[in-house]
Formats: sequence, C-alpha cells, structure tokens
Amino acid sequence: EIVLTQSPGTLSLSPGERATLSCRASQSVSSSYLAWYQQKPGQAPRLLIYGASSRATGIPDRFSGSGSGTDFTLTISRLEPEDFAVYYCQQYGNSPLTFGGGTKVEIK
Amino acid sequence: EVQLVESGGGLVQPGGSLRLSCAASGFTFSSYAMHWVRQAPGKGLECVSAIGNNGGTTYYANSVKGRFTISRDNSKNTLYLQMGSLRAEDMAVYYCAKNIAARPGSYFDYWGQGTLVTVSS
Repeated sequence: EIVLTQSPGTLSLSPGERATLSCRASQSVSSSYLAWYQQKPGQAPRLLIYGASSRATGIPDRFSGSGSGTDFTLTISRLEPEDFAVYYCQQYGNSPLTFGGGTKVEIK
Repeated sequence: EVQLVESGGGLVQPGGSLRLSCAASGFTFSSYAMHWVRQAPGKGLECVSAIGNNGGTTYYANSVKGRFTISRDNSKNTLYLQMGSLRAEDMAVYYCAKNIAARPGSYFDYWGQGTLVTVSS
C-alpha cells in the first residue's frame, strides 16, 4: 500500500499569498496518477487536480499541480478567502487507492 | 446536474447492522464504478469499498472485509453498503463517490453530501 504524507499539517497564510502544499509517496506513483481535493467544513471533498497537473472542470487557474514519482505539489498562486480549507492528495496508480492525511490552510 | 444523495445513517449499537443507500442522478449510473469513502470525526479519508459499473468487480478495505457488502441496482440508479458487526471505529461520515471510469480504483469527480454513522451503546 502506498502511504501518502502531506506537509505541512497546517499552513497559516494571508489572502493574496502563495500556498505550496506537498504530498510525498512511500513509493513511486504509477503514471502520475495523483489527485488533489479541497474540503471545507461540513462539506464533501471537491476534485481540484487529477493526473498530477490537470485541473478539473471549473477549477480556477490559480490552482496548479506538479510533480511525478514520489513528490507532488499543489500550488495556490494567490489565496482567495474561499480557498481556506483542508486539502487532500490521493493516489490511484496502485491498489488500494490511498489518501494523504491532509493539509489545513488557515487564515493567518 | 450530477447528484449523489446518501441516506440510511444513524445511531447503531456495537455489533449492529445498517444499510446505507446512495441515489444517483444526472449521469448514466450504469457506466461508472462507485465507491464508499468514509471520514471519521476530525480525521482523513478512507476508501472502504468500491464496485464496478456492472457489479462484477468489488473491493473492500481490510478494515471492513467480511463485515460490509457493497452492491448496486442499476435499474434504480442506487448504490448500497450493507454494514454488519459494527464497531466504534466504524463511526464516520460515509460518502458515496463517483469514479471517473467503469472500473474501480481511479479518482472521483463527484461526491455526495455524506451520511453519519454513529456506533455507540
């Protein structure tokens, strides 16, 4: 089973700042099959990124994903008030699919 | 518009059973694999079960194998999760999630709002 470790656990930033979230896999993720989700309190997760770098439908271009192998990054170029949330990575290249523990982006 | 609406959650005693349902609309349900993903209070996400588009392929996490059964009725556009021998550690919000492919094991483009399962005496 691939273990995904997200860091930092919490990121304290101000609106307008850049957020860089890391997701590290315990072994190489096949074909960069990695997705990112955003979850706000009391809501279901929402797909942001798939295939490590492809934005899902309707996702603003301030969200970008990069990486391959074992190291992946989600970048939010300029934080908007609605971006403060918890972000999860998920790998689907190997069975079973697994999620990271999440990074909370909070208002500083 | 894609909609996934879970139901069936509630309070159950340890050792008890519960059946969750997920009513789907807005897409061709029979063309996609479906998953149940749970989230314990204040915790992360765990995929507990999945089923292929025609029901022929199923997956269970080790934590629920032998206790949970996933099924689907494509004529009713509904996904089910029969949960048995429930334990305190099964307490969570259970989400149904639509896979982007017919086979399980990919990413999810739509999620339901979740249904809370509480296991307590």
